[in-house]
Amino acid sequence: DIQLTQSPSSLSASVGDRVTITCRASHYITTYLNWYQQKPGKAPKLLIFGASNLQSGVPSRFSGSGSGTDFTLTISSLQPEDFATYSCQHSYTPPWTFGQGTKVEFK
Amino acid sequence: ELQLVESGGGLVQPGGSLRLSCEASGFTFSSYWMNWVRQAPGKGLEWVANIKQDGSATYYVDSVRGRFTISRDNAKNSLYLQMNSLRAEDTAVYYCAKDASHTDSPWYYFNHWGQGSLVTVSS
Repeated sequence: DIQLTQSPSSLSASVGDRVTITCRASHYITTYLNWYQQKPGKAPKLLIFGASNLQSGVPSRFSGSGSGTDFTLTISSLQPEDFATYSCQHSYTPPWTFGQGTKVEFK
Repeated sequence: ELQLVESGGGLVQPGGSLRLSCEASGFTFSSYWMNWVRQAPGKGLEWVANIKQDGSATYYVDSVRGRFTISRDNAKNSLYLQMNSLRAEDTAVYYCAKDASHTDSPWYYFNHWGQGSLVTVSS
């Protein structure tokens, strides 16, 4: 199985900060990497697919990059509604595993 | 509006069985691969199983293969997960999730999710 390791596991940030979360895959997955946002008690929401493609309706302050084994989710200017947990997921080969999540907390 | 609504969760003893349902509305259910994804308390997400549009193909994560069965009834716009021989480690919120692909081939990422149904396996 392909393992996805996110870093950091949590971070503290302020409104307006630039936030970067990384996801490292244990095997080469080209650009088959997706990002989700999840708020407490809610279902995940797809943000980015194919490493860098913004899902419809997602604000442009979210962006994704990377290929191969190393990927990044960036929030260019953190907004109050962005405090949440972010998870990566690969769609390269089954099983479709997720990272352990990165919790973005208010500083 | 697209909606996925899970039901059927609850408390069950180890070794017991439970059947989850997911009722879909607001889209052509029969045109999409569908999935179950779970999240144990305080843990990350785990893909559990998926099923082809016509139900002719199903796939499972190793930890549930042989114990869980995914199925669907396109006439009822419903997805199911029959869970047998339940273990404590199956305790989780179970989400129904729609594959993002609008073609016959799945893309294996999920653009719509239900609100989740909690399954607790405990004596």
